Amino acid sequence: DTAVSQTPKYLVTQMGNDKSIKCEQNLGHDTMYWYKQDSKKFLKIMFSYNNKELIINETVPNRFSPKSPDKAHLNLHINSLELGDSAVYFCASSPSRGSFYGYTFGSGTRLTVV
Amino acid sequence: GQQVMQIPQYQHVQEGEDFTTYCNSSTTLSNIQWYKQRPGGHPVFLIQLVKSGEVKKQKRLTFQFGEAKKNSSLHITATQTTDVGTYFCAGNAGGTSYGKLTFGQGTILTVHP
Repeated sequence: DTAVSQTPKYLVTQMGNDKSIKCEQNLGHDTMYWYKQDSKKFLKIMFSYNNKELIINETVPNRFSPKSPDKAHLNLHINSLELGDSAVYFCASSPSRGSFYGYTFGSGTRLTVV
Repeated sequence: GQQVMQIPQYQHVQEGEDFTTYCNSSTTLSNIQWYKQRPGGHPVFLIQLVKSGEVKKQKRLTFQFGEAKKNSSLHITATQTTDVGTYFCAGNAGGTSYGKLTFGQGTILTVHP
C-alpha cells in the first residue's frame, strides 16, 4: 500500500491550459506539503497544510491554488500553465507541522508544458 | 530568508572511494535532516540530527551536526554503485520558520564501478 500517492505521474499539456495534481496519504499524518523540483534538482517548498489549514504559502504565483478537503488529501490546481511551470511536483507528508519528523514523499508528478 | 548551501554540486568517485557532502546554513538550525533521491525517484528520509555536535551512523554512512548547529556533513565510506543518487540536507530554523524545511541544492553522486 503506497503511503503517499500522487496522480498523475506524468502530465503533458499546452500553455494556457488548467490542470490538477492529486495527492493522498494513508499514514494518518496531520501535515502535507507541495514541493517543486526544477531541472537542477532544487527542491522548493510551495505550500503546506496542517489538518486542512494552510500554514505555509511561499512566494508562488496565484495561478497555483492548493486545496485540502481533509487531512489525508492535498490537491494542487494550476491555471493558465506557462512553460516555466515545467518541473517535477512532489507531495509530502509528516506527522505534525513541526519539522522534527522526516517527510514521506510521493513519487512525483512530472509536468511538461509545451 | 533562511538559506541552506550544499557542496559540492557534483561528485564522481570510483567504487570503493569515500565521499563527503557538506551543508551550511545562514542561520542556526533547530534540526537538520538528510534525504537521498535515486535517479528518477523521490527523496527518501535518511536521518535527523538535533543536538549540537551530534554524530550518527548508519552502516557506511556517518552524519555530523556542527557545534554551532549551522553546518552538517554526510560521509560515505567505501562507496558502492547502490549509493548513486542525489543527497540533500534540509534544515529547519525554528521561530517564524517553524514547520518549514529548507532544502540544500543537493550533491549528485556518481559511482563508477
